[in-house]
Amino acid sequence: AQSVSQHNHHVILSEAASLELGCNYSYGGTVNLFWYVQYPGQHLQLLLKYFSGDPLVKGIKGFEAEFIKSKFSFNLRKPSVQWSDTAEYFCAVNAGGQGGKLIFGQGTELSVKP
Amino acid sequence: DGGITQSPKYLFRKEGQNVTLSCEQNLNHDAMYWYRQDPGQGLRLIYYSQIVNDFQKGDIAEGYSVSREKKESFPLTVTSAQKNPTAFYLCASSIVRGDRGSQPQHFGDGTRLSIL
Repeated sequence: AQSVSQHNHHVILSEAASLELGCNYSYGGTVNLFWYVQYPGQHLQLLLKYFSGDPLVKGIKGFEAEFIKSKFSFNLRKPSVQWSDTAEYFCAVNAGGQGGKLIFGQGTELSVKP
Repeated sequence: DGGITQSPKYLFRKEGQNVTLSCEQNLNHDAMYWYRQDPGQGLRLIYYSQIVNDFQKGDIAEGYSVSREKKESFPLTVTSAQKNPTAFYLCASSIVRGDRGSQPQHFGDGTRLSIL
């Protein structure tokens, strides 16, 4: 069965620290990849997406992610986090031929200390 | 403003009772989805629908039912057969383009269901 794994359940950083959240998926074919963010008390929002082309994609609020096909990974990065980045982050994968169905990772809770 | 509206925000259910969660979208999206969110488990797909009058089971459909009589509405019923219904339920919608698979999903604010 297809699955998505996020390595870190809870990450705690100080402001200005660099961030990298891991995401690996298990599916050998064409995939569309997403990162969503859920700020406290708010609905899930799209942070960035990868469909094809340049494997380094840039999203909102200074986030970026790199698709490494050989490693089945789509890690999320930000060079310098802010307190306002405190949120839960979800990686999601859509496998080709499955219409709109998304498989989500378990989520990573990020806490940024001011 | 286009978006997805879920109601109610909080819902309480007695043992053995069915409850229905509402989800309405005015984004003119063809596809709609229901997820269940539990701490440490991410979002798990319950049901999804890519066209009116058609829907498919997701990964955890047991104890749930849906209908899709209108494009903009996709209500979820949590039946008494669902043994652990306490969770946060999220509805989403998206455009579906067959050659490109999934487009980004837009999410509602969720309904938190609790058992009395």
